[in-house]
Amino acid sequence: DAKTTQPPSMDCAEGRAANLPCNHSTISGNEYVYWYRQIHSQGPQYIIHGLKNNETNEMASLIITEDRKSSTLILPHATLRDTAVYYCIVAKSGSARQLTFGSGTQLTVLP
Amino acid sequence: NAGVMQNPRHLVRRRGQEARLRCSPMKGHSHVYWYRQLPEEGLKFMVYLQKENIIDESGMPKERFSAEFPKEGPSILRIQQVVRGDSAAYFCASSPPGPGWVNYGYTFGSGTRLTVV
Repeated sequence: DAKTTQPPSMDCAEGRAANLPCNHSTISGNEYVYWYRQIHSQGPQYIIHGLKNNETNEMASLIITEDRKSSTLILPHATLRDTAVYYCIVAKSGSARQLTFGSGTQLTVLP
Repeated sequence: NAGVMQNPRHLVRRRGQEARLRCSPMKGHSHVYWYRQLPEEGLKFMVYLQKENIIDESGMPKERFSAEFPKEGPSILRIQQVVRGDSAAYFCASSPPGPGWVNYGYTFGSGTRLTVV
């Protein structure tokens, strides 16, 4: 699976949009981009995923560049409860289903 | 629809004892994954199981660790003769069968915190 690079930490003001970048320059054509988050000591929570197109759900939006080498997770109106470690993961469909978690980005939402 | 259930939430074992961690997947999910998170570290894949089959155990330590997912009942992660270095949070995740799993992501449980004293 392709390797991902994320900034180790980011701050965001409460109520503002949080934009979390991820670089995955070695991604291949059949690999998906997934985002998970882990709120202090809890189990990881699935947020969103995409292959080529931008995606939106009730939690977030995912913007994938046209060359697919990078993506941005957008939390449109961050709240204090969004403070967590956010993981960008690249994985492909098929028999190998393990997800490789990197170090992630610690997002701190400030009041 | 209950999520992924793990028990116990906290487990304390003395060095040399056995630890058994249980995971019940979401209803309709037949694939289970175990991850370990050491203190101040990221999550590491351990093993991927389907009912009665180990599909990928490439992340399992070679000794003392085993996992099973029987036809009936929860998946069990078993650690024999625990040592202090086994102290960690162990998370289980599940996903539905078939290639459609890529469209759903994994659902994780709340984890079991193992402390070896």
